[in-house]
Amino acid sequence: KAGVTQTPRYLIKTRGQQVTLSCSPISGHRSVSWYQQTPGQGLQFLFEYFSETQRNKGNFPGRFSGRQFSNSRSEMNVSTLELGDSALYLCASSAPRGGGSSTDTQYFGPGTRLTVL
Amino acid sequence: AQSVSQHNHHVILSEAASLELGCNYSYGGTVNLFWYVQYPGQHLQLLLKYFSGDPLVKGIKGFEAEFIKSKFSFNLRKPSVQWSDTAEYFCAVNVRGGATNKLIFGTGTLLAVQP
Repeated sequence: KAGVTQTPRYLIKTRGQQVTLSCSPISGHRSVSWYQQTPGQGLQFLFEYFSETQRNKGNFPGRFSGRQFSNSRSEMNVSTLELGDSALYLCASSAPRGGGSSTDTQYFGPGTRLTVL
Repeated sequence: AQSVSQHNHHVILSEAASLELGCNYSYGGTVNLFWYVQYPGQHLQLLLKYFSGDPLVKGIKGFEAEFIKSKFSFNLRKPSVQWSDTAEYFCAVNVRGGATNKLIFGTGTLLAVQP
């Protein structure tokens, strides 16, 4: 079974630009979560989508947004990029059945490394 | 709000040494507890998880963790480490019974095992 895939793997942007990152979950998984990983702040939760609905959102500014499609693929968008947005963005999928639960194992993708110049 | 503390940021051990990584969480309710590992150049992957029952949980690659409710702790242990255990280890929690998978992570512990 293929794992979680994220595209692109590396991205370089300049301040003020916007960026869209993509995540394809494991087949059959209905929940997709996004995390930002930086050396200073560690892993921080951005948001979670389940069946195309945002189920939870972390403490990030409105410049960070996301969506989920009917095939469970998810995208996150960051507008008006700032230098501090440079990070590894991780996507995780879970909930292979039912409504999903907090005990479901989350499977992480390799991440997209975003560098903002 | 929940929070997770990992007190050891960097740990250096020789092969065959025993390992214990500390993890404490702060939350008034019931939580699920996880340890994830990130090997160099690889994805974050689950080592073990605890939901309920026996507080001593066994995971992959010989790792185990013990949940001590009174201490809000979930320490990771391995009796004898190998060079291949060199990685970054993350403790994480989420709220039990919540209809969300939101994980709160600790800051991670970088383990270097010397051959």
